[in-house]
Amino acid sequence: DAGVTQSPTHLIKTRGQQVTLRCSPKSGHDTVSWYQQALGQGPQFIFQYYEEEERQRGNFPDRFSGHQFPNYSSELNVNALLLGDSALYLCASTPGGGNTDTQYFGPGTRLTVL
Amino acid sequence: GENVEQHPSTLSVQEGDSAVIKCTYSDSASNYFPWYKQELGKGPQLIIDIRSNVGEKKDQRIAVTLNKTAKHFSLHITETQPEDSAVYFCAAHSVANSGYALNFGKGTSLLVTP
Repeated sequence: DAGVTQSPTHLIKTRGQQVTLRCSPKSGHDTVSWYQQALGQGPQFIFQYYEEEERQRGNFPDRFSGHQFPNYSSELNVNALLLGDSALYLCASTPGGGNTDTQYFGPGTRLTVL
Repeated sequence: GENVEQHPSTLSVQEGDSAVIKCTYSDSASNYFPWYKQELGKGPQLIIDIRSNVGEKKDQRIAVTLNKTAKHFSLHITETQPEDSAVYFCAAHSVANSGYALNFGKGTSLLVTP
C-alpha cells in the first residue's frame, strides 16, 4: 500500500515566479492537508481540502491556493514567490469515515526561492 | 489559537538509555495528541498518538502520557537505539478551536550515541 506521495522532490524558483506542487493521498484517504515547514520549525497548517473544496485555511495569504481532484489528489499553488516562501511543503492525508484528526505525511517538496 | 511548547530542543543520550520529551499546550479543548518522528530529508512519520480519554499509551519501546489537568503530555522512548536519532515533533488538535489543523511544537533533535 503506497503512502502519501508528493512531487517534485525539489524545486528551485526565482522571486515573482509561480509554482505548483502535487500530492497523492494514501489509498482510502479522502482528505488532504498542506503544511509549510521552515528550517528548524514545526509544520504550519496552510489549508485542508475535502470533497474538492477548501474546508479550512490557516494564516497564509491568498498567494497560496489549492485544488483537490475527484480522485482525491491535490495541488498547492503559490504565486508571486517571495524569498520567505523557501521551505519544505508537506502534504498529509486523513482517512475517511469520520476520522478527522489522524494525519499521515508525505516526504515533502523542498522549495528554494532565489 | 493553540500554542504548543516542546522541550528540550536538543537531547543527547547513550544507546540503551531512556529519552523523555515534554510538551505543553494552551487550549483546554484539545483532545488529540500525536507524535511524529522526522528523519533527515523525510516527511514526519506518525509514531504514536493519544486521545484525551486515555492517560497513557504504549507501543513497544515508545509510550506517551497525558495529563489533561496540567495540559502537558510526554513521549518516552526506552532502550534507545542509534536509529532513534531524529527530530521528534509533538502536536495538539482541538476540533472546537483549531478545526482540522494540527498545531505543532518546534521539535526536539534526539541524538543516540553508540
